Amino acid sequence: DSGVTQTPKHLITATGQRVTLRCSPRSGDLSVYWYQQSLDQGLQFLIQYYNGEERAKGNILERFSAQQFPDLHSELNLSSLELGDSALYFCASSVVAGLAGDTQYFGPGTRLTVL
Amino acid sequence: QQQVKQSPQSLIVQKGGISIINCAYENTAFDYFPWYQQFPGKGPALLIAIRPDVSEKKEGRFTISFNKSAKQFSLHIMDSQPGDSATYFCAASGTGANNLFFGTGTRLTVIP
Repeated sequence: DSGVTQTPKHLITATGQRVTLRCSPRSGDLSVYWYQQSLDQGLQFLIQYYNGEERAKGNILERFSAQQFPDLHSELNLSSLELGDSALYFCASSVVAGLAGDTQYFGPGTRLTVL
Repeated sequence: QQQVKQSPQSLIVQKGGISIINCAYENTAFDYFPWYQQFPGKGPALLIAIRPDVSEKKEGRFTISFNKSAKQFSLHIMDSQPGDSATYFCAASGTGANNLFFGTGTRLTVIP
């Protein structure tokens, strides 16, 4: 168990809908990362927050947004869902930000299925 | 564009054999190279990592070999066990922006 929790574990929804994925980082970790894992794209970095502030952006679609709250949990919002958004979404956390070598601990993921 | 290229896509090894997975990168700003292990239904878990100031790092049966001039690194699993059957991802990141760039993964199957 990495100490990173994600809810829900599974999510099934329809095209055009909006969903929210939740992540609680390990105790003491200030940085949260969101990754998408799909069969055709592999594991792709979406976005990083550090202590409530957006720190880095990767291949995140404009339909997707995220935030980190004062208690350090994070939410990833996916809107106007398309079939191609079906994937595993992982949250990871680390102690700091901007320091290569700071281990990222991954949660168990949320499997999103868009029908 | 795939920042980290990984091969092979799948690997079948006999119990007790050596598993070797290779990765290559282009971005010379990368200075941290971890390997993650992922079991079905689970999130990736850090296995071992290396920085470019050393050419090899060993932890138990797992060894990373790093060739800075060739911009390549590899994972060797000695005495492979059925419990090692999983998907392995190499990754890379650089100071200042420590988000990870992952390889495409290698599905390892160790046959008893």
